[in-house]
Amino acid sequence: EAEVAQSPRYKITEKSQAVAFWCDPISGHATLYWYRQILGQGPELLVQFQDESVVDDSQLPKDRFSAERLKGVDSTLKIQPAELGDSAMYLCASSSMGQGETQYFGPGTRLLVL
Amino acid sequence: GQSLEQPSEVTAVEGAIVQINCTYQTSGFYGLSWYQQHDGGAPTFLSYNGLDGLEETGRFSSFLSRSDSYGYLLLQELQMKDSASYFCAVAGGFKTIFGAGTRLFVKA
Repeated sequence: EAEVAQSPRYKITEKSQAVAFWCDPISGHATLYWYRQILGQGPELLVQFQDESVVDDSQLPKDRFSAERLKGVDSTLKIQPAELGDSAMYLCASSSMGQGETQYFGPGTRLLVL
Repeated sequence: GQSLEQPSEVTAVEGAIVQINCTYQTSGFYGLSWYQQHDGGAPTFLSYNGLDGLEETGRFSSFLSRSDSYGYLLLQELQMKDSASYFCAVAGGFKTIFGAGTRLFVKA
């Protein structure tokens, strides 16, 4: 069964350092999402791609976060510099069209900023 | 804008039936989805309602009333493994918004 892949699974970094997360969606899925989930809360959408184009990044803190999906397949989310408040689970999901249909989530990257 | 409300916690006993409600406000509604998330795990899809009515998938059912901006997830024959967080999610336009989640505790 096809799955969304993410790496690393865990990341510990010090504040002011740069971190990067990678996501490989299910093959053929045009839509890719990056979410941030703080413990006890629901996933918060950071950025949504349709193929290689950003369709929503209204909640992405653009002064420190960046995301790209250059060839419309895998994607990288970067934080520079990391802050203590960035400690959270970063989830990647994909779906076939991005119109409310099922999203398939990867296992997530748990980030701890010290 | 978009917003969702669901209870923060629900407790039920093994074998019982539990209903988790979700009310929403959104512009451009496509449908209401439900996801399950165990501690430390990723959300997994449970159910989707694009039209009014009841959708049944095994022990789980989901209901939608578009006129009331309301839906619920019904879990029957509760098992200990159903202890998890349950999120409703509204798709409006090209954006999906997740609720804060309902933590379900199943007691023996």
